[in-house]
Amino acid sequence: DAKTTQPPSMDCAEGRAANLPCNHSTISGNEYVYWYRQIHSQGPQYIIHGLKNNETNEMASLIITEDRKSSTLILPHATLRDTAVYYCIVRPRPEAGANNLFFGTGTRLTVIP
Amino acid sequence: EPEVTQTPSHQVTQMGQEVILRCVPISNHLYFYWYRQILGQKVEFLVSFYNNEISEKSEIFDDQFSVERPDGSNFTLKIRSTKLEDSAMYFCASSEPSGGTFFGPGTRLTVL
Repeated sequence: DAKTTQPPSMDCAEGRAANLPCNHSTISGNEYVYWYRQIHSQGPQYIIHGLKNNETNEMASLIITEDRKSSTLILPHATLRDTAVYYCIVRPRPEAGANNLFFGTGTRLTVIP
Repeated sequence: EPEVTQTPSHQVTQMGQEVILRCVPISNHLYFYWYRQILGQKVEFLVSFYNNEISEKSEIFDDQFSVERPDGSNFTLKIRSTKLEDSAMYFCASSEPSGGTFFGPGTRLTVL
């Protein structure tokens, strides 16, 4: 799996957009970018994934650069409940069998009132 | 919304005892997983399971560990002889081939 690099921590004001960057310069053509988060000691929560096009769902937007070497997860209106550790994971295409995930240390996002 | 469930939420056991952690994956998912997280550390992959057999396992998943799908709904992780260092949160997860992976709330295992 391609290695990812994320800042260890970020702050965001409540109600503002949170933009979480991830570098994955060694990503290969068949690898997707996945984002998960873990709130305190709860189970990781799937947020979104994408290959090369930008993606949006009810939780977030994922912006992937044209060269696919980096991406940004956007939480459009951060709330206090979005305080969590956010993980960017690069994995081969999900159709290729089990989707084993290897978590790094992620970005600890703190939403400030 | 469908979710992965796990029981018990907290298990306390004596070193050397066997424990079985139970999970009910999301019903239409085909792939099942166990992960663990030692307090203050990263979430670690243990094993993936598909079509009634292990598809991949990590170095952590040694002979003390086993998994089973005893019926159409449950997925279990057994630790035969627990050690102090097995104390951790154990997360069960399931996925479809083309989507995200959904995690349960975890079982906190404490080995005394």
